[in-house]
Amino acid sequence: NAGVTQTPKFRILKIGQSMTLQCTQDMNHNYMYWYRQDPGMGLKLIYYSVGAGITDKGEVPNGYNVSRSTTEDFPLRLELAAPSQTSVYFCASRGTEGDGYTFGSGTRLTVV
Amino acid sequence: KQEVTQIPAALSVPEGENLVLNCSFTDSAIYNLQWFRQDPGKGLTSLLLIQSSQREQTSGRLNASLDKSSGRSTLYIAASQPGDSATYLCAVRYSSGSARQLTFGSGTQLTVLP
Repeated sequence: NAGVTQTPKFRILKIGQSMTLQCTQDMNHNYMYWYRQDPGMGLKLIYYSVGAGITDKGEVPNGYNVSRSTTEDFPLRLELAAPSQTSVYFCASRGTEGDGYTFGSGTRLTVV
Repeated sequence: KQEVTQIPAALSVPEGENLVLNCSFTDSAIYNLQWFRQDPGKGLTSLLLIQSSQREQTSGRLNASLDKSSGRSTLYIAASQPGDSATYLCAVRYSSGSARQLTFGSGTQLTVLP
């Protein structure tokens, strides 16, 4: 099925470890986003991209990095995991200006 | 600051009841507004997308309205069912500020009792 695919679905990291959350979409969307969702809170934007090679910071970018080498892929990198990064991470994409957003199923990350 | 607020945070209704979920936003200059459903431990499923030029959108038992001048949107669910139990999120794309991003409310957790 076409859509946004995120891997892994679950991950436990130790403090100071690094990991990459993968996100890929097969809808040829230019716009891609990373959000985090904390319990009882709305989603907060981490980073976004308006096309291959172009990325920009969102509301809560500290502790994260992204790259966008292809239209399909938008990985999110955590370099030195901290307990404050325990959250559920969602990747989303959008096509043209009038389109709605399509979300992936999320990655549940716990940092211990 | 451009914000989105959803009240109440939680709602419990008996099966069969019609209900309204509320969403308010602080700036009337919006591009569009999207309602999502989120089941526990799952991702977001898009329910309805309303463009700034539209007043409402309908899908089955769901109807979403948009009033930009008052900064409000409502999601109306007719003849509620236990399967409608989920968290409903409202998200706004503002026309200005941080480009091309959605601003989310904190959601309304709906429980429909059999």
